[in-house]
Amino acid sequence: QPVLTQPPSASASLGASVTLTCTLSSGYSNYKVDWYQQRPGKGPRFVMRVGTGGIVGSKGDGIPDRFSVLGSGLNRYLTIKNIQEEDESDYHCGADHGGGSNFVRVFGGGTKLTVL
Amino acid sequence: QVQLQESGPGLVKPSETLSLTCTVSGGSISSSSYYWGWIRQPPGKGLEWIGSVYYGGTTYYNPSLRSRVTISVDTSNNDFSLNLSSVTAADTAVYYCARHHSGSVLSELDYWGQGTLVTVSS
Repeated sequence: QPVLTQPPSASASLGASVTLTCTLSSGYSNYKVDWYQQRPGKGPRFVMRVGTGGIVGSKGDGIPDRFSVLGSGLNRYLTIKNIQEEDESDYHCGADHGGGSNFVRVFGGGTKLTVL
Repeated sequence: QVQLQESGPGLVKPSETLSLTCTVSGGSISSSSYYWGWIRQPPGKGLEWIGSVYYGGTTYYNPSLRSRVTISVDTSNNDFSLNLSSVTAADTAVYYCARHHSGSVLSELDYWGQGTLVTVSS
């Protein structure tokens, strides 16, 4: 099954842009990844799904246009433009693997985004 | 808009069974359009998928937990439940319930509950 690797932390200034990275382990370059936002003390919130061709399907409810995704090789990116205070959150990526009794959904360790 | 709410004991003794319920409002759990899932997050750590269930009873479990997990649906109460047996301190976590976007377990988890902290301790 794939391993998803995320940097533990990132920071950006108010109004700036930041790109968060989720890296799939070798051999899984065709996998789609889901991005989730988790504000402090809250449950995760679906942001969007990304493959090598970009967004797959629709954004989650209420996700602003400032959020976009890109996929390249083993990397799946989430870019946030014009960062606002409300964007300070943990961001998790997740992916599905296998089928039937071998199906599993895996997550990365999450990236804590600090807004300066 | 669908809302999910976890409920259950916040403290469970080692070797006992952890039991949680997720109550769904704003939609029917017996809709053929969705799977329903449980995910947990140990303190300071990342998310771990536990398993997912379809209203008709089809289940998928994380292989690492399969021997201890049962997830079931109660359509009369519009809720679904998690039972995790033989718990240890390693099962201490915030437990979330969530809805899959469609009637496929491969779909994203588009609505989540607020989560409930379960501590395993004597």
